[in-house]
Amino acid sequence: SQQGEEDPQALSIQEGENATMNCSYKTSINNLQWYRQNSGRGLVHLILIRSNEREKHSGRLRVTLDTSKKSSSLLITASRAADTASYFCATDGNTDKLIFGTGTRLQVFP
Amino acid sequence: EAGVAQSPRYKIIEKRQSVAFWCNPISGHATLYWYQQILGQGPKLLIQFQNNGVVDDSQLPKDRFSAERLKGVDSTLKIQPAKLEDSAVYLCASSPLLLRSYNEQFFGPGTRLTVL
Repeated sequence: SQQGEEDPQALSIQEGENATMNCSYKTSINNLQWYRQNSGRGLVHLILIRSNEREKHSGRLRVTLDTSKKSSSLLITASRAADTASYFCATDGNTDKLIFGTGTRLQVFP
Repeated sequence: EAGVAQSPRYKIIEKRQSVAFWCNPISGHATLYWYQQILGQGPKLLIQFQNNGVVDDSQLPKDRFSAERLKGVDSTLKIQPAKLEDSAVYLCASSPLLLRSYNEQFFGPGTRLTVL
């Protein structure tokens, strides 16, 4: 079964705009990861945030984690056409395996 | 550093036929995973190996799916016989750590299976 649910399911924006996608999960975690998947490069790890962290940055990416609400958000600033992809959150559920959410499909128009 | 290699990239078979997928993880990665990704969904873990031992195969349909990782390096996943609902992308991933998933997983390009 899917551990996480991403919201929205699909998002369309113009280049230069910010994109925010959210993830909710069900059980306690050690960490939460975000992955990107497109047809050209497959599934690629973007960022990992540990359960004792609240915010993390990597380039144009900003991830927040609220363990009390069992939710996370991924913000992509100044989006580019190349950011067009599906984005998945993945949690470890206090185990050594990942459970992926259903994904958000992001379309960035030039 | 070479990435995770998978073959074939695409496979089309008739239902009830057999099929096998191959994965070569990143050199030195102890943990290897097979995922099934149905169109429109996130990847679902089928089986996890640590070196050449199975750590978790709770979601592997063992009546038709089998996997092995001989010598703790490359791995094969087999489906016999295939059903229509097995149509999906099969992803292989590897990770350097033996225990908790504090590190990222590195994914291969996947094998897209179509069962007719």
